Amino acid sequence: NAGVTQTPKFQVLKTGQSMTLQCAQDMNHNSMYWYRQDPGMGLRLIYYSASEGTTDKGEVPNGYNVSRLNKREFSLRLESAAPSQTSVYFCASRETGGHPEAFFGQGTRLTVV
Amino acid sequence: GEDVEQSLFLSVREGDSSVINCTYTDSSSTYLYWYKQEPGAGLQLLTYIFSNMDMKQDQRLTVLLNKKDKHLSLRIADTQTGDSAIYFCAESTSVSGYSTLTFGKGTMLLVSP
Repeated sequence: NAGVTQTPKFQVLKTGQSMTLQCAQDMNHNSMYWYRQDPGMGLRLIYYSASEGTTDKGEVPNGYNVSRLNKREFSLRLESAAPSQTSVYFCASRETGGHPEAFFGQGTRLTVV
Repeated sequence: GEDVEQSLFLSVREGDSSVINCTYTDSSSTYLYWYKQEPGAGLQLLTYIFSNMDMKQDQRLTVLLNKKDKHLSLRIADTQTGDSAIYFCAESTSVSGYSTLTFGKGTMLLVSP
């Protein structure tokens, strides 16, 4: 029972490098989310996807792009990493309507130097 | 816009009760949540309450909801050192017709022996 799986768990990038954070869920959920967590800031929503084929900006989308590849996978891309994007990134999934619980991955700790 | 506020730090002794408070702004929130985050880990759903309830009890956890004041609290009875963690209050909010979760900044609970 994997739930929400994020890869990689840790990553160090140089300023200007690009990378994609991967997220997959095996619960057949429609909605998926990307959050970032910074000290004293709580979790802030970067992007979300209400269903396969749709994505929308959250509170802090600048510097990021997302792809909802299929129902299972929702990836987050940093095209040109900046030190301000050093953070812990969490992916979550949730069924729309019905059960309210959101399930979180274990997080990706990204450092941009 | 939606905002969730909670105190940043709480320190208690083992065996005491802990009460973590939260205020929210979106009166249309369907569900309100408490998540727990242990060091280096993802978020774990502790409990949630539907907006038409005013109390929910689950073993050592009691959630109280005051809709009039938009105030949510989490009481942990007989607090243990293993309860030391960050606790996040969250509300379900609607953005462009889709449901997302908005989190507070988190309350760090420190339980001393």
